[in-house]
Amino acid sequence: DTAVSQTPKYLVTQMGNDKSIKCEQNLGHDTMYWYKQDSKKFLKIMFSYNNKELIINETVPNRFSPKSPDKAHLNLHINSLELGDSAVYFCASSLQGAHGYTFGSGTRLTVV
Amino acid sequence: EDQVTQSPEALRLQEGESSSLNCSYTVSGLRGLFWYRQDPGKGPEFLFTLYSAGEEKEKERLKATLTKKESFLHITAPKPEDSATYLCAVQDTGRRALTFGSGTRLQVQP
Repeated sequence: DTAVSQTPKYLVTQMGNDKSIKCEQNLGHDTMYWYKQDSKKFLKIMFSYNNKELIINETVPNRFSPKSPDKAHLNLHINSLELGDSAVYFCASSLQGAHGYTFGSGTRLTVV
Repeated sequence: EDQVTQSPEALRLQEGESSSLNCSYTVSGLRGLFWYRQDPGKGPEFLFTLYSAGEEKEKERLKATLTKKESFLHITAPKPEDSATYLCAVQDTGRRALTFGSGTRLQVQP
């Protein structure tokens, strides 16, 4: 199936731990994104990569580090997790940075 | 700074009762306005892109329109399966990322 797939779907972890979320797209898109959806349902951009190059880096704590090994993959690593990091994280992809995004199904991160 | 405000926050309709969702936006230059549908526990699903004032797009019971300050998503004779959160987003000409509103949670009762 053509899609944007994220793993894991759910992640429960303790404060202070380090965790990673993986994202892969097989749509042939050249731009990938990480968005964070908070409890009020706002989706906010965190990072964007175009052909493995970081093009958007919003005001995000440097505990968050994206990595794009190739244009089909964009991973998110989070160090020293805090309670406030609890949210749903969505990966998305698009072609040439415009038009409609295709979103993954999200990763619900709960920090306890 | 780009801003997107959606109203109402929640809307409950009877099956067949048509209505409209509003998306007001502020951008320095509009590259595109997007509508998405989000079901619980899932990622947003792309519905429409509108690029210029006066443009309209339709898909089944949904019709999106655009002016220079706002967009409307008209739902004609909705069915229970149209129940979802509808998200509006804008892309500024100077940015690649989308700025989203907080959505309208639509519930259609049979």
